[in-house]
Amino acid sequence: QKEVEQNSGPLSVPEGAIASLNCTYSDRGSQSFFWYRQYSGKSPELIMSIYSNGDKEDGRFTAQLNKASQYVSLLIRDSQPSDSATYLCAVKEAQAGTALIFGKGTTLSVSS
Amino acid sequence: SAVISQKPSRDICQRGTSLTIQCQVDSQVTMMFWYRQQPGQSLTLIATANQGSEATYESGFVIDKFPISRPNLTFSTLTVSNMSPEDSSIYLCSVGPEEGRPQHFGDGTRLSIL
Repeated sequence: QKEVEQNSGPLSVPEGAIASLNCTYSDRGSQSFFWYRQYSGKSPELIMSIYSNGDKEDGRFTAQLNKASQYVSLLIRDSQPSDSATYLCAVKEAQAGTALIFGKGTTLSVSS
Repeated sequence: SAVISQKPSRDICQRGTSLTIQCQVDSQVTMMFWYRQQPGQSLTLIATANQGSEATYESGFVIDKFPISRPNLTFSTLTVSNMSPEDSSIYLCSVGPEEGRPQHFGDGTRLSIL
């Protein structure tokens, strides 16, 4: 059973702080890694994708991947109240045409 | 990214009835995926729908309960049959990943069964 694990939270940070979200996965064959943001009552929205070891930055977001440790993280710098949402980690294996496997999500709350 | 339209956006249904959810994509895609998100939970894959072949169901989901059609490369339907309160969920249509494209979701169908 391929699994993606996340701390459910809630993770609470003050406005302007760095929020750190973590994810581990069980399938060593996984090749692609994604972070989705989901606001309450809305569908998931892709915010970051990462495919190789190291860091990938996009604005206030940085994704970090360590395939040897089977670990992927998302850092949100200068957190804003609008970042308050559930963040879903998703993993795709190498086989073509397979769907993403999602973690249970971490709820982030940014207080002003 | 592809634009994915789902209908209906929400519905309230009676126990024992069936509801068909439609998913329309603005470009041709080989694979479409149907997910369920129960209250407070993450996304669970129901099935993968390929055009011209039977859908492939994940463990715990069966065709009699969740029949899927995929008549062409831009459209799919998911039917939730003989509904019970346990079927109250958000049902999401998704396309990708193909040719390196990430996976995107429609707005979902919020289903409540009384």
